[in-house]
Amino acid sequence: EVQLVESGGGLVKPGGSLRLSCAASGFTFSGAWMSWVRQAPGKGLEWVGRIKSKADGGTTDYAAPVKGRFTISRDDSKNTLYLQMNSLKTEDTAVYYCTASRGEFIFVFWGQGTLVTVSS
Amino acid sequence: DIQMTQSPSSLSASVGDRVTITCRASQSISSYLNWYQQRPGKAPKLLISAASSLQSGVPSRFTGSGSGTDFTLTISSLQPEDFATYYCQQSYSSPPTFGQGTKVEIK
Repeated sequence: EVQLVESGGGLVKPGGSLRLSCAASGFTFSGAWMSWVRQAPGKGLEWVGRIKSKADGGTTDYAAPVKGRFTISRDDSKNTLYLQMNSLKTEDTAVYYCTASRGEFIFVFWGQGTLVTVSS
Repeated sequence: DIQMTQSPSSLSASVGDRVTITCRASQSISSYLNWYQQRPGKAPKLLISAASSLQSGVPSRFTGSGSGTDFTLTISSLQPEDFATYYCQQSYSSPPTFGQGTKVEIK
């Protein structure tokens, strides 16, 4: 059974930093392209960024609102995906979902999400 | 960025009704269109990929159609568990973008 379990969410002040983790199991994590998708309270879904598998170059791509502030990385030895979030803004408040893709942007598997609240 | 527009934003229907949700892309996306269901308080779930390919385990009452810029998701006979918000999403180009969602309420 595929499982994606996010952790690391919480309350942080504007300008602060937070690192989210996503522990994966039940599939070959090292071969998967992974994305983060977020959902502000009461709002729709917004793609945050993606990391390819190392075999496909391991490159990252980010949405414009987070580019330069967020960094996605992976540790295939730990089957874990990370999202480092710096210079956080109130508009980054959202539930952050870890997803595993088929192809580049078909989000097949989703974690349960972790809430990040940016507030003073 | 490709803009995805869904209609309606919400609807109310009875159990057994046929429900249709439309999604329009701001430019042609061929068949690179996916549909997700999100029940309250839960993560989204992939229902349909490539416009019409039903995911394993998804009931056959869900069907997707369309290509180019216009797409539809149809629920042939609405069930109580179908109370949810439905999102379309294009996987044609980066950044992938979602529609604003269609909330389906059961009468």
